[in-house]
Amino acid sequence: QQQVKQSPQSLIVQKGGISIINCAYENTAFDYFPWYQQFPGKGPALLIAIRPDVSEKKEGRFTISFNKSAKQFSLHIMDSQPGDSATYFCAARGTGTASKLTFGTGTRLQVTL
Amino acid sequence: DADVTQTPRNRITKTGKRIMLECSQTKGHDRMYWYRQDPGLGLRLIYYSFDVKDINKGEISDGYSVSRQAQAKFSLSLESAIPNQTALYFCATSFGGADTQYFGPGTRLTVL
Repeated sequence: QQQVKQSPQSLIVQKGGISIINCAYENTAFDYFPWYQQFPGKGPALLIAIRPDVSEKKEGRFTISFNKSAKQFSLHIMDSQPGDSATYFCAARGTGTASKLTFGTGTRLQVTL
Repeated sequence: DADVTQTPRNRITKTGKRIMLECSQTKGHDRMYWYRQDPGLGLRLIYYSFDVKDINKGEISDGYSVSRQAQAKFSLSLESAIPNQTALYFCATSFGGADTQYFGPGTRLTVL
């Protein structure tokens, strides 16, 4: 049962372009939405995260947009660079400190020159 | 992240063999997790432990067992490996109720 749906599965963007990855969730009890970045041969690492009390969070070239009513959130990578080529996972965590992360299926991003 | 280490990094084994994957951390975190990663399926939680005496099943625990030998060590065992357990396995840690999980470098397991 996939509680966090992620799309697209893969994405090719030219250098300087905008990369957009989308996620949708079903459980309204989720209260924390992180994005993890994974380079080949490495474990995932936290990139950026948002809570549902704000609609947008920006850190450098990375922005999360959050739509609570639609139960959707997305990652935007501005001015995409070849070094951004990686797999990106969205995730969601339920309320309470005993809750666990539920991950999306991942998006493989390739930024071409 | 060098603070979370996994051994072995790669393992090839045969169907029916018992396999143990080990995870150690120097971050002083109390919570540890085991995930498996499969193409198109993302990361799925196998087991998690909030302290040495607290071990819980995740969404795909069948065919796996774990042991939390100390706060810093969390091992995953496949009692009788089967080919569909071929995957990337990741250990992760977190501190208390903090949001961030820190992942190890992964173990690539192939079951023939």
